[in-house]
Amino acid sequence: TQLLEQSPQFLSIQEGENLTVYCNSSSVFSSLQWYRQEPGEGPVLLVTVVTGGEVKKLKRLTFQFGDARKDSSLHITAAQPGDTGLYLCAGATNTGNQFYFGTGTSLTVIP
Amino acid sequence: DAMVIQNPRYQVTQFGKPVTLSCSQTLNHNVMYWYQQKSSQAPKLLFHYYDKDFNNEADTPDNFQSRRPNTSFCFLDIRSPGLGDAAMYLCATSSSGSGSEQFFGPGTRLTVL
Repeated sequence: TQLLEQSPQFLSIQEGENLTVYCNSSSVFSSLQWYRQEPGEGPVLLVTVVTGGEVKKLKRLTFQFGDARKDSSLHITAAQPGDTGLYLCAGATNTGNQFYFGTGTSLTVIP
Repeated sequence: DAMVIQNPRYQVTQFGKPVTLSCSQTLNHNVMYWYQQKSSQAPKLLFHYYDKDFNNEADTPDNFQSRRPNTSFCFLDIRSPGLGDAAMYLCATSSSGSGSEQFFGPGTRLTVL
């Protein structure tokens, strides 16, 4: 099992604030995905990053893949209550067939 | 729309009574996965199928089995559910190869009485 650590584990912020979630590992991944999951539902894919150093933007969300492809970050600008949920990173092995999830970050945005 | 479907969404079983969860997909992906997710935790990979090849995770209990009769369907069998097996079970699919993405079903919430 390839361990992916996310930090922070829990985050509660006011609407309009910015935040960053980190996903770190000692292993190299061929790609890394970020998901958001709401209670009672399956994870929904937000983005996939493949190239070391890659930055992708999805509206107010900015994702970065580390140069060595061992870590990633998710930055949310001007958080909204609709951003509340469990954020999960998942790394894919070199074959691309196995994915291992990070420990998760539970975000609550207070109106 | 292409999707991953899990039935039922909620399943109640009794301690020790075998139960089967099902997953189907219309994405024609060759890889299918089963994850177990307990409350406030990240999903834990149980096993996956690459086409017909079964790949079990080393720490998956023998109590959990899987079948994939064709590309579209995959089943999770829990032979003798214990109270500790109560969880959300997530099915996912992906196409093979580097940079591939997983697509998840809505999950089945299993309760063991």
